[in-house]
Amino acid sequence: DSGVTQTPKHLITATGQRVTLRCSPRSGDLSVYWYQQSLDQGLQFLIHYYNGEERAKGNILERFSAQQFPDLHSELNLSSLELGDSALYFCASSVGATGDLPYEQYFGPGTRLTVT
Amino acid sequence: GQSLEQPSEVTAVEGAIVQINCTYQTSGFYGLSWYQQHDGGAPTFLSYNALDGLEETGRFSSFLSRSDSYGYLLLQELQMKDSASYFCAVRDRDSNSGYALNFGKGTSLLVTP
Repeated sequence: DSGVTQTPKHLITATGQRVTLRCSPRSGDLSVYWYQQSLDQGLQFLIHYYNGEERAKGNILERFSAQQFPDLHSELNLSSLELGDSALYFCASSVGATGDLPYEQYFGPGTRLTVT
Repeated sequence: GQSLEQPSEVTAVEGAIVQINCTYQTSGFYGLSWYQQHDGGAPTFLSYNALDGLEETGRFSSFLSRSDSYGYLLLQELQMKDSASYFCAVRDRDSNSGYALNFGKGTSLLVTP
């Protein structure tokens, strides 16, 4: 158990809908990262928040957005869902945000999103 | 941009040694990490190399050569439970000063009896 929690574990929804995925980082971690894992693309970095502020964006679609709240939990919002958005969505947390140690990221169990 | 290359699949026998290679192209390189992921599970951290050389952690070792943009993960005394996907990842400072992990597509390791 990494200490990172994600809800829900599974989500089935229809095309065109909007969903919100939730992540609580490990106690003491200020950074939250979101990743998408699909069969053909591997693990893709989406977005990084540090202590409530957006720090980096990866291959995140405009239909997707995220935020990190004062209690450090984060939410990933996916809208106008398409079949191709079906994937495992992981969040990860780490203590810092820059090159400071420790460097490892702790991943949550993921949310499996199925768009039908 | 960044790219990481690693073999898609490797098969090895229980008790043997296997090496999973990773080559990368990136700017502002800050280190190479390795993560293990069992089917459908969360990736878990294995090792990190910021400097050239070999890092050993139990049965697993990781090597980095920055001049060659190359690293590998070495798994010794393979056990059936080592069957999993292994990802190399680079920490690459982007223009906004964020340090995200960019992952390779993973190597599926199958350990056979």
